[in-house]
Amino acid sequence: KAGVTQTPRYLIKTRGQQVTLSCSPISGHRSVSWYQQTPGQGLQFLFEYFSETQRNKGNFPGRFSGRQFSNSRSEMNVSTLELGDSALYLCASSLGLGGRGYEQYFGPGTRLTVT
Amino acid sequence: AQRVTQPEKLLSVFKGAPVELKCNYSYSGSPELFWYVQYSRQRLQLLLRHISRESIKGFTADLNKGETSFHLKKPFAQEEDSAMYYCALSGEGAQKLVFGQGTRLTINP
Repeated sequence: KAGVTQTPRYLIKTRGQQVTLSCSPISGHRSVSWYQQTPGQGLQFLFEYFSETQRNKGNFPGRFSGRQFSNSRSEMNVSTLELGDSALYLCASSLGLGGRGYEQYFGPGTRLTVT
Repeated sequence: AQRVTQPEKLLSVFKGAPVELKCNYSYSGSPELFWYVQYSRQRLQLLLRHISRESIKGFTADLNKGETSFHLKKPFAQEEDSAMYYCALSGEGAQKLVFGQGTRLTINP
């Protein structure tokens, strides 16, 4: 079956702009999690959606938001971009909530560069 | 709060030598531990989880609750084992998956 897909794969934005990233989970998966990956901080959890509801949230400012649609596709939005937001944003889907008992399948990521 | 620590950012060993990637965690309840791996130009993927108690690609990991550790081991390293390895923890209930900082393993020929 098709894996997790993320669009776009690469993005260049200017400080102060906003950006929307998209994630399509594996068919049948109802949980979508988002992570920020940087060389200095590693993988940091942003939030998790399950059945269109945010179930878990990481320690990121309110500029980072997301949503999930009825088909389980998810979008992540970052407003008022800062240089420090430059990172690889990973999306992962799983059958159930959190990591507990369920393998997370990761997408290829969206590389965001803020100039 | 859940916390995962991988003390080594970089680890380099020779082919055929034993490998041990360290992972320590902090969690007051009963955790579920995982190792994820990211090979060059590939997606992050699950390597193994402690509840499965299985060996994948020759790697094993044992959960030591007394020492709060979940070290990843392989008796004889292969060049194809070169990758970024992440230890991760999920707490009880519907909790998020927390990752360590990762260890970049390089196997020298």
